[in-house]
Amino acid sequence: DIVLTQSPDSLAVSLGERATINCKSNQTALYSPDKYYLAWYQQRPGQPLRLLIYWASTRGSGVPDRFSGSGSGTDFTLTISSLQAEDVAIYYCQQYLSTPWTFGQGTKVEI
Amino acid sequence: QVQLQESGPGLVKPSETLSLTCSVSGGSITNYYWSWLRQVPGKGLEWIGYVYFTGGTNYNPSLKSRVTLSVDASRNQFSLSLRSVTAADTAVYYCAGSNRFYFDVWGRGALVAVSS
Repeated sequence: DIVLTQSPDSLAVSLGERATINCKSNQTALYSPDKYYLAWYQQRPGQPLRLLIYWASTRGSGVPDRFSGSGSGTDFTLTISSLQAEDVAIYYCQQYLSTPWTFGQGTKVEI
Repeated sequence: QVQLQESGPGLVKPSETLSLTCSVSGGSITNYYWSWLRQVPGKGLEWIGYVYFTGGTNYNPSLKSRVTLSVDASRNQFSLSLRSVTAADTAVYYCAGSNRFYFDVWGRGALVAVSS
């Protein structure tokens, strides 16, 4: 199985400041043939999980442009450029290059 | 807009079978690969497997021997059956839809406890 490791496990960011979450794959570049098979999700209490980013850098429908994804090879990043109160949540990366699809352990973002 | 709703017992006895159903509204069940995932409280997400509307399946090897996923297109529903459960299967179970890659629609989750 592909193991994804996120860092940090948690972070506290002031309103309006930048939050950066990393996701590292242990086995292989999540790339085939011209896309990176990585997504990011947001989990807020009591809410369904929400797709934020897919193909490593494409924003999901209705996702604010303060959320951006980047990376290559085995290392990927989710950036929230200006943290808002509603961004307090747990964020997960997920690989869909090969089954079993796997997730990172999650990063908790607080204010 | 597609919405998903999990339903089923919230308590299952050890060694019995956990059964959950996910109802799809606002769209056709033929448009997605339908997955079940679970999250042990305080832990990360684990993908259990997916079923396509044709009945084709793909399971996580870690659970494959105990899992059956099925779909009822006439009811716009798909289901999870997990056999021989133990306390380690206590989790929030989510249904989700994907285009065979990323999940772009999720249910809110259903907590299932395994206890006598």
